[in-house]
Order: sequence, then structure tokens, then C-alpha cells
Amino acid sequence: DIQMTQSPSSLSASVGDRVTITCRASQGISSYLAWFQQKPGKAPKSLIYAASSLQSGVPSKFSGSGSGTDFTLTISSLQPEDFATYYCQQYNSYPLTFGGGTTVEIK
Amino acid sequence: EVQLVESGGGLVQPGGSLSLSCSASGFILSTSAMHWVRQAPGKGLEYVSAIRISGGSTYYADSVKGRFTISTDNSKNTLYLQMSSVRPEDTAVYYCLKWDVGSGWCWGQGTLVTVSS
Repeated sequence: DIQMTQSPSSLSASVGDRVTITCRASQGISSYLAWFQQKPGKAPKSLIYAASSLQSGVPSKFSGSGSGTDFTLTISSLQPEDFATYYCQQYNSYPLTFGGGTTVEIK
Repeated sequence: EVQLVESGGGLVQPGGSLSLSCSASGFILSTSAMHWVRQAPGKGLEYVSAIRISGGSTYYADSVKGRFTISTDNSKNTLYLQMSSVRPEDTAVYYCLKWDVGSGWCWGQGTLVTVSS
């Protein structure tokens, strides 16, 4: 199975900060990488697929980059509604696997 | 608008059975790959099962293989997950997901399954 390692596991940031979350795959996954946002008690919401393609309706402050084994999710200017947990997922091969999550908290 | 609505969750005793449904709208189920993912209380996301509608090939996580069955009813545009021999560790919110190469991932709102005596 492909292991997905996210870092950091949590971070504290202020409104307006630029935030970067990284995700590393245990083997190459080309660009088959997605990012999801989850708020407490809610279903995950898709942000990015194919490593850098923005899901329809997702604001452009979210961006993704990377290929192979190293990927990043960047939030250009953190807003109150962005405080949540973020997960990466590889869909290069079965079983599809998720990172452990990064919780973004208010500083 | 693409929409996925799960149902069928509830309380079930260990060793029992439960069937989850995912009603799809806004697209034709037979043209998509569909998936089930679960999330235990306070935990991360765990992949459960997948079905490629064209061709019907299926995939199961080792943790559910031989106990869960994924299927579809294209006439009802509905995805199913038949759960049997359930265990306490199957307690989770179960989400159905749609994957499309042109539009990415879409999630349902989830349905809670609690396995307890």
C-alpha cells in the first residue's frame, strides 16, 4: 500500500497568513493526488484534484502543486472559514490512501 | 448539479448485517467510478471499497474483504454497500464518493453506522 505522510499534523495561524501543508507519498503517484477540507461534524469537501486542478466552486486562494512523491497545498490568505482539517489522498493505485490530516487552528 | 445522498445507517449488533444506499442525481451512475470511504469517531479517513461501473470490477480494503459487498442498481441510479458480520471497529460515518476525470471528487453527506450490543 502507498503511505501518505502529511506535515505538519497541526498548525496555528492568523487570519491573513499564507499557509502551506505538505504531503509525501511512499512511492511515485504521478499527479494522482487530491486535497480535501473537513470541518467538525461535516463531510469532507473536495478542493484540489490531479495535484493542481481546482475543484469547481473552490476559491482561487487554494492551490496545489507537486508530482511524483512530494505535494503541497497552499492557502494564500487564511480566512476564518478556512480553519479546518485538511487531508491529502492518492488515487494512483488501490487501496486509495489518505494522509493523517492537518488541523489548521486559530492563533 | 451532482448530488450523493447516503442512507441506511443505524445501530446494529456485532455479527449483524446492514445495507447502506447512496442515491445519485445529476449524473448517470453507470458512467462513473464509485467509492465508499469511512471515518471512525475522532479518526481519519479510511478507504473501504470501489466499483468501476463499466465492467463492474470491484475493490475491497483488507479490513472488509469477505464481509462487505459493493453493488449498483443502474435503474435506480443507486450505489449500495452490503455489510455483514459487522464488528465494533466498523463503527464509522460512511461516505460515498464519485470520481470523474473531468471534475474530480464529489462526496455525499455520510451516514452513521454504530456496531454495538
